[in-house]
Order: sequence, then structure tokens, then C-alpha cells
Amino acid sequence: QLQLQESGPGLVKPSKTLSLTCTVSGGSISGSRQYWGWIRQPPGRGLEWIGSMFYTGSTFYNPSLKSRVSISVDTSTNQFSLSLNSVTAADTAVYYCATVTGGPWNWFDPWGRGALVTVSS
Amino acid sequence: NFMLTQPHSVSESPGKAVNISCNRSSGNIVSSYVQWYQQRPGSAPTTVIYEDSRRPSGVPDRFSGSIDLSSNSASLTISGLKTEDEADYYCQSYDSTNVVFGGGTSLTVL
Repeated sequence: QLQLQESGPGLVKPSKTLSLTCTVSGGSISGSRQYWGWIRQPPGRGLEWIGSMFYTGSTFYNPSLKSRVSISVDTSTNQFSLSLNSVTAADTAVYYCATVTGGPWNWFDPWGRGALVTVSS
Repeated sequence: NFMLTQPHSVSESPGKAVNISCNRSSGNIVSSYVQWYQQRPGSAPTTVIYEDSRRPSGVPDRFSGSIDLSSNSASLTISGLKTEDEADYYCQSYDSTNVVFGGGTSLTVL
């Protein structure tokens, strides 16, 4: 059974780049037709899709974040990563990685436990 | 782009049934699948319904999903409510360029 775990700095300064990694266990990131995605949730608020990717490198991003986001994959370590530049306090959120089934934006399951990232000086 | 609108909160008594709606603002509700996620405080979301009405293994059949073309909405129905069902519920769908989540519904079982 697939398990995902986010990791990365919990504090990022304004205008800098937020970087997170998702480690996949229980299966190969390149061994199936599944996509891999990032979703975030500001404290006390709802969910927002950030983007999804296939292990070949095809990426799909939320139009509202597209100019600042990049998702990449490292098949040798079974990990995929999120990079979000020029962050502000509005980017403070719990960031989740998830498996996406049925295309880059259909069904997100399972999810990682989430990583809280605070943007503050 | 479209929006998914859910009631902010619903409450019902144990043993009763509750329905949570998810209205699509534009585009046909059947043009893409709808998923429903349950999120308990401090935990990641988990799927209770996927592809409109399918239940993942391990989700009790008290949870059901449906589509209403007349209102361009999806609905999550939870019957035989238990206190453990108290959580936030999010609907989610997509189009050719974006994934959209509803704003979430807080379910209180009292």
C-alpha cells in the first residue's frame, strides 16, 4: 500500500523559495499510471490544488500559481518535489502530497500527513 | 473556471441521515467526476466517495454519493450517523485546466 511523507523546512522568509519533498514508499513512483500531486490548506481554511505531475515529467499547475510553482520528480530516490518562489504570508499553509488516480486531476488518494510551512521573517 | 459551493455547516443527531450538497457554478456537473473527502481535525483528508458514487474499500456503506442534473449538484449522504462521522467534508472536481475543491462543510453530530 502506498504511503507518502512530506519533508522540508517549516519556516521560510518572505520573498524566498519554499521547497518540499514527498517520499513515496510501498510502490514505485514510475511503476504505475498514477500521477503525483500537491495540495495546500491555509490554517482554518479549505483545500487548494497546487499541481500534479507524471513520472515522465509532464506537469499540470493551478493557473493562479503557475507563474511561481514547479514540481519535479527523482525516480532514483522515489521522490517528487515542490518549489514555490516569491512566497508571502498568504502561502502559509499545511502542504500535502498525494497520489492522483485517473489522470492529473481526478482522485487524490492516499495523502501524506502534511507539512506546515510558515512564511515569516 | 468554475466553483463548487457547499453549505458551511450541517448538524444532525446520531442515527439520523444527513445530506451535504455541492453545487457546480458553471459547466455540467457530469462533465467530470466528483470526489468527497473527510477530514478530521489535525489529520489529512481521506476519500469517502470517488467518481461520483464509488466507495473505497473500508468506507462503510452508510456513505453514498449521487449526482442531481436538475440542480447541477453532487450530494454526499451519510445515514445512521455516528459521532465518529463528525468532521469536515470537501467535494472536489476538475476541468481541463484546474482542480477545484468546495469550501468544505463542517458536520456536527449531536
